[in-house]
Amino acid sequence: DQQVKQNSPSLSVQEGRISILNCDYTNSMFDYFLWYKKYPAEGPTFLISISSIKDKNEDGRFTVFLNKSAKHLSLHIVPSQPGDSAVYFCAATDTVNTGNQFYFGTGTSLTVIP
Amino acid sequence: DTGVSQDPRHKITKRGQNVTFRCDPISEHNRLYWYRQTLGQGPEFLTYFQNEAQLEKSRLLSDRFSAERPKGSFSTLEIQRTEQGDSAMYLCASSRPFIKEETQYFGPGTRLLVL
Repeated sequence: DQQVKQNSPSLSVQEGRISILNCDYTNSMFDYFLWYKKYPAEGPTFLISISSIKDKNEDGRFTVFLNKSAKHLSLHIVPSQPGDSAVYFCAATDTVNTGNQFYFGTGTSLTVIP
Repeated sequence: DTGVSQDPRHKITKRGQNVTFRCDPISEHNRLYWYRQTLGQGPEFLTYFQNEAQLEKSRLLSDRFSAERPKGSFSTLEIQRTEQGDSAMYLCASSRPFIKEETQYFGPGTRLLVL
C-alpha cells in the first residue's frame, strides 16, 4: 500500500531549464510534506518542505507546490544546474496521528544535461 | 554540528550471522529513527525513539530485528540470523524535540549485503 507515489522514475532536463518533479499521495490525513535529495552512497538530504496550510513554499531555486484537492505536490527547480542531478524523494507524514513516521515515494532520478 | 553518523558504512555477512549497526544522532536531537531502503524503493520506516523510549515499531521490524537506545543518545540496530532478504541500506535519522512539523535529518546509511 504505497501511500506516496512518484510515477516518473527518471527525468532529463537541459541545464538552465525548469525541472518539475511530481508526487501523488493517497492519505488525506497527510499534512506535512518534504522533498529530499539523494546522491549515490549518501543518505537523503533535506531540501524543502511544505505544510498543508500552504499551497506554495519557495527557497531559492526550489519551489514546492501543494494541491490538496488533487493530493498532488510538485517540486520546481529553476534554473536547473548539473549539480542538481540526483534522486529526489517526496515524503509525507500525518503529524497528528503518526507524526514520527515519514512515508516516502520511490524516487525520481533527475539528470541535468550541461 | 557534525550531522548524523552511522557505523559501519558497509557490512558484508553470511546468511545466519548476526550484525549490529550504530547510529549517532545530531547532539541536540532527542528523536531517532531507523529506516530501510532497498533498490528502487524509498526509505521505509522501521522504528522510532524519543530519548531512550522506543515508541513506534513498523510491522517490517520482525522478531529478528531489535533496536536500542539505552542512554537516549546513540542507537544500535541488531539483526539476528540474517537472511538474504535483509540486504538493504539501513538509514538512521534524527530530529529535534517538541516540533510538530519537524524535518528528519539522515545519516549516510549502512549498506548491508547478506551472502
